[in-house]
Amino acid sequence: SYVLTQPPSVSVAPGQTARITCGGNNIRSQSVHWYQQKPGQAPVVVVYDDSVRPSEIPERFSGSNSGNTATLTISRVEAGDEADYFCQVWDSSSDHWVFGGGTKLTVL
Amino acid sequence: QLQLVESGGGVVQPGRSLRLSCSASGFTLSTYGMHWVRQAPGKGLEWVAVISYDGSDKYYADSVKGRFTISRDISKNTLYLQMNSLRPEDTAVYYCAKDRYGDHSACLDFWGQGTLVTVSS
Repeated sequence: SYVLTQPPSVSVAPGQTARITCGGNNIRSQSVHWYQQKPGQAPVVVVYDDSVRPSEIPERFSGSNSGNTATLTISRVEAGDEADYFCQVWDSSSDHWVFGGGTKLTVL
Repeated sequence: QLQLVESGGGVVQPGRSLRLSCSASGFTLSTYGMHWVRQAPGKGLEWVAVISYDGSDKYYADSVKGRFTISRDISKNTLYLQMNSLRPEDTAVYYCAKDRYGDHSACLDFWGQGTLVTVSS
């Protein structure tokens, strides 16, 4: 089955740029979605279809997808961005929806 | 205003059954694919099952296939997850979520707050 690999943690200082990667075999052929989850809350989609940002999500959030890696980029990081982030795709070969293991973003 | 409210969670012994419900409002289940996603304590998200917008397709994670059944009642606008032969590793918060536009590849753009299932003797 399709596997998505994320780094367990990423740390960044306020105001800097955080990049969270999601690796998968030829992931560029997939539509990748990104979710933010804060403690005790349900996940919220922050980027979908590789790079589309929902209207309620700040412009600081962006996504890209190329080769074997999709990336969620958070510019001008704020303390409120501290959360777990998960990537997700639909694996058409198995009709399974797959999540990455998640990345904990720490704002220093 | 969209709303998804899960219910039916609780403590259950291994081998027993439980049925979760997800009551939807602000939209109709017949328009969107609906998913169950779970999260074990301190762990990541795990997709569990999906029912397509028209109810014709149902898919399950390998870990629950043959034990869990997803269904819906359009008249009640409610999604269900029947869970049989429960195991301790099924312990998790269970979320229901709708997809964005009724396509298999669509993101999950709205989630309920989840219901906790604990499988323990």
